Amino acid sequence: SQTIHQWPATLVQPVGSPLSLECTVEGTSNPNLYWYRQAAGRGLQLLFYSVGIGQISSEVPQNLSASRPQDRQFILSSKKLLLSDSGFYLCAWSLVAGNSPLHFGNGTRLTVT
Amino acid sequence: QKEVEQDPGPLSVPEGAIVSLNCTYSNSAFQYFMWYRQYSRKGPELLMYTYSSGNKEDGRFTAQVDKSSKYISLFIRDSQPSDSATYLCAMSRQGAQKLVFGQGTRLTINP
Repeated sequence: SQTIHQWPATLVQPVGSPLSLECTVEGTSNPNLYWYRQAAGRGLQLLFYSVGIGQISSEVPQNLSASRPQDRQFILSSKKLLLSDSGFYLCAWSLVAGNSPLHFGNGTRLTVT
Repeated sequence: QKEVEQDPGPLSVPEGAIVSLNCTYSNSAFQYFMWYRQYSRKGPELLMYTYSSGNKEDGRFTAQVDKSSKYISLFIRDSQPSDSATYLCAMSRQGAQKLVFGQGTRLTINP
C-alpha cells in the first residue's frame, strides 16, 4: 500500500530564515505530487504540483519554490521567510492518470515569528 | 464567483442525527467528485470518490451527485462524536491533474 511521509510536523522559524519541507511517497511510482497551504479557517490553496522529476508547475507567485529531485520526493523551499508564510503546509500525491483522488500527508504547521 | 461553493458552517448537531453536507459548483465540465474529512491538525482523508451523477454508499456515509443541478451532498447517518471534523468537497474535469476544493464545512457532533 502507498504511504506519504511529511516532516517536520511543527516548525517555528524567524523572519528571514530559510525553509525546507520534505515529502516522500512510498509504494507507487511516478506519482503526481502537490504542495498545498491551508490558512486558519480557510480552504486549501494549491502552491505547486509536479507530474515528473524536475517538472514543477507554480500556481501562485510568492516567496516559495518547489523541487522534485527524485521520483517520489518533493521539497518546498524558501530563501527568506516572511510572516505571511505562516500556515499549514500539506503534501499530497495522486496516480499519474488524470482524475485520481489526492492522498494527503499529515502536514507541517509553520509559524514564522 | 467561486467554482465551488461550500458553506463553512460551523454546523452543530446532536449525536445520532442525520447530517447533510453540501457543495454547489458552476463548471458543468466537472465529472469526478470527492469528499474529504479533516481532523484538527491533520491532513485531509479521502472519504468518498464518485464519478458523474448518482449515489454511492459506504457504511454510514452516502455521497450524492446531481449534475443537472450542479449540486453534491454527503449524508452521515447515526452521527457520532468521532465524526466531528471539517469536511471538504473536491471535484475535477475529465483529464485534469488538479482538484478544485470547497472551503470546507466544520461539523461538531454533540454527545
